[in-house]
Amino acid sequence: AQSVTQLGSHVSVSEGALVLLRCNYSSSVPPYLFWYVQYPNQGLQLLLKYTTGATLVKGINGFEAEFKKSETSFHLTKPSAHMSDAAEYFCAVSEAQAGSEKLVFGKGTKLTVNP
Amino acid sequence: KAGVTQTPRYLIKTRGQQVTLSCSPISGHRSVSWYQQTPGQGLQFLFEYFSETQRNKGNFPGRFSGRQFSNSRSEMNVSTLELGDSALYLCASRPGTVYEQYFGPGTRLTVT
Repeated sequence: AQSVTQLGSHVSVSEGALVLLRCNYSSSVPPYLFWYVQYPNQGLQLLLKYTTGATLVKGINGFEAEFKKSETSFHLTKPSAHMSDAAEYFCAVSEAQAGSEKLVFGKGTKLTVNP
Repeated sequence: KAGVTQTPRYLIKTRGQQVTLSCSPISGHRSVSWYQQTPGQGLQFLFEYFSETQRNKGNFPGRFSGRQFSNSRSEMNVSTLELGDSALYLCASRPGTVYEQYFGPGTRLTVT
């Protein structure tokens, strides 16, 4: 079964600083990987996805992630943090079974952006 | 296109009662999945429906059930509520041909 580990349940950065949220996965097949963001009292919004092809994927709001098979990682980065980036971020891997797709999520990383 | 909608947004129930939550997927999306989010367990998969058939089920007791209608709208039901069922229940839809899922705002269930 697939699994996802997010290192650091809380990350704090200053406004304008680099954001780096770490995600490692375990998968027996080529993975489909996702990053979602959740703002307070809201659902999950898709930031970006990796399925096949280019290993550096760009998402919304200036975020990007790089798929590294050798390291089984899919870390999320943003060059310059903005106050509006404060939220909880979830890394997920898609697990396929008999035509069904379910997402297996990490525990989440809460990002705080300090002025 | 309108996003995934879930009703109600908030619910307060008493132990032993049952509850039904509703989800309307994005127009044209035939797959609907349900997830439970709690502080302790995180996000856990409940089940997926496609064309009115349950295709996959997570590791939850039989008190949790669901169904999908011909218009792709879905409901989930929890019977004999327990305190531990207090959670944010999220519904997600996808067209069925792609892997990313689009989530609704969730229903916050509180069991007292």
